[in-house]
Amino acid sequence: NAGVTQTPKFQVLKTGQSMTLQCAQDMNHEYMSWYRQDPGMGLRLIHYSVGAGITDQGEVPNGYNVSRSTTEDFPLRLLSAAPSQTSVYFCASSYRGLNSPLHFGNGTRLTVT
Amino acid sequence: EDQVTQSPEALRLQEGESSSLNCSYTVSGLRGLFWYRQDPGKGPEFLFTLYSAGEEKEKERLKATLTKKESFLHITAPKPEDSATYLCAVWAGTASKLTFGTGTRLQVTL
Repeated sequence: NAGVTQTPKFQVLKTGQSMTLQCAQDMNHEYMSWYRQDPGMGLRLIHYSVGAGITDQGEVPNGYNVSRSTTEDFPLRLLSAAPSQTSVYFCASSYRGLNSPLHFGNGTRLTVT
Repeated sequence: EDQVTQSPEALRLQEGESSSLNCSYTVSGLRGLFWYRQDPGKGPEFLFTLYSAGEEKEKERLKATLTKKESFLHITAPKPEDSATYLCAVWAGTASKLTFGTGTRLQVTL
């Protein structure tokens, strides 16, 4: 079992560029989510999905889009990167929402110059 | 607004020196409190879920407890491999999100 796989591990973007952070899980988990982690701040929820075809906004959704066309994949799109989006991004999944433990990927470190 | 505060921010222990990490929270309608361990360059790894005051969970050298205002992660006779950042998170009310604290960075030396 690979668990939660995030790609790429590192990425450098210029302001205004767009990109997609990939997240895939092979555990048949219904719930998937994206967090960002910044120094001195706790992990903050960007978007989440309770199942294929269903997404919702978290705490800090501005500047990010998501879609969930399959159970396995939950990509995060940055539409027009800004330096404030420099962060480490984590994808997490669970079997049935927050009643089950979250399984995290190993993150994507994004730098926007 | 849900708030989670972890203390201390950093803790250095010698091998075998037991101690406790604190997670205090202010939420409306606690549904669960979670402890995670995070190693450098890795994603958080689940340790425990606590649901109600008085509940305790144990795993090897770790024991988590919960009151109505805070949770403690007790580390008994720690080893260097216990060095990591320990994160606390709460799930409250009807929101489908966890609110995380900023973590306690633990270093255990020989």
